[in-house]
Parts: sequence; structure tokens; C-alpha cells
Amino acid sequence: DAGVIQSPRHEVTEMGQEVTLRCKPISGHDYLFWYRQTMMRGLELLIYFNNNVPIDDSGMPEDRFSAKMPNASFSTLKIQPSEPRDSAVYFCASSLREAAFFGQGTRLTVV
Amino acid sequence: DQQVKQNSPSLSVQEGRISILNCDYTNSMFDYFLWYKKYPAEGPTFLISISSIKDKNEDGRFTVFLNKSAKHLSLHIVPSQPGDSAVYFCAASSAGNKLTFGGGTRVLVKP
Repeated sequence: DAGVIQSPRHEVTEMGQEVTLRCKPISGHDYLFWYRQTMMRGLELLIYFNNNVPIDDSGMPEDRFSAKMPNASFSTLKIQPSEPRDSAVYFCASSLREAAFFGQGTRLTVV
Repeated sequence: DQQVKQNSPSLSVQEGRISILNCDYTNSMFDYFLWYKKYPAEGPTFLISISSIKDKNEDGRFTVFLNKSAKHLSLHIVPSQPGDSAVYFCAASSAGNKLTFGGGTRVLVKP
């Protein structure tokens, strides 16, 4: 199995632009998570899905952030409009049981 | 409110010696605990886990100990190897797959 696949690996965008991060979970996993890592806040959970349904989005910082999971093999995290404080590494992870498996992350820089 | 804390931001150890990483938690509802290892520019990698019904779990050079009364867990790496140099995250979950992470401990194993 290729593991969790995220794209792009790096994204540099200008403030105000829309950014879309993509994730393909491990086949057969029924949970999908979006995490954000920053120096100040560490690894924080933004939102997670179970069987494609959003379960808890309490970690989503603002209405500028939205996430979708249209099917079991694809999810997106969108930021519109982006701001410099959104600069971070965004991780997608999937799991079947307790252990979540992470993708390589997307390093987002908003200038 | 940090529910999972790793109070040592860094640890330096000589190759061949034991590395001991510590983690404290506050939420008594946590029932599953995990350790992840993270190299730069990569996603966290699952290392080892333990259920709250156990007090020890061992996998090769890695052993996790859980002290529920003290709400404390630790990871022992014996013997430490240079390839173990990474950031280690402690994580916990309750009644499901949502993981809460500690802030991480950077381990440096000196040859």
C-alpha cells in the first residue's frame, strides 16, 4: 500500500487566494483526519471524518476553513481566503483502529 | 488546556544507552495511548501503542509503560541508535479514533 498521499507537498500562495489541499487515505480505512502543525500550537486536530461523514470540526479555526470527503478515497481541505497566519504544515491521516497513519504533509506558505 | 503534555522538549543520549521519554495526561477518559516518531519533512510514523488495560507493551527496542494512577506514560528505547534521532510525540484517544498529541520531544542520539 502506498500509504496516505497528500498533494501538493509545498504550496506558496498570496494572501487572499484560495488554497486547496488534497488527501488520499489508505484504502479500507474508515477514519480520516486533518491536522495542522505549527511551532506555537504543535499538532492540532482540525476535523475528522468517519465513513465520509464529518464527525468533529471543532478544531477548524475559522469559517475560512472547510473540508470535504466526497468519497472514501479522497478528501480536501480548503482555505478561502488564505492569510499569512495560516502558514503551517497540514497533515492528513487515516485509520481503521486506534493508530492513525499520516501522509507526508503539505507545507503551506501564505505571503 | 493541554490534555497531553511532554515536559521535556529535548533529550540527548549516547548511542547504546537508554532513552526515556515521558508524557503526562489529564483526561481520565483516555483509554489508548500511542507514540509517534517524526523526521524532518515527513509525517509522524506510528511507533508503539498501549491500551489502558495494560501497564506495559514491548516491541523490539521500544517499550511503553503506563501508570494510570499517575496519568503518566513513558517510552523506553534500548539501546538507542543514531537513527532514532527524531521528534517523538505522545498521543492519546478516548472511545474512538480521535488523537490528542503532546508537544513532542526532540531526541538526539550521539554516536
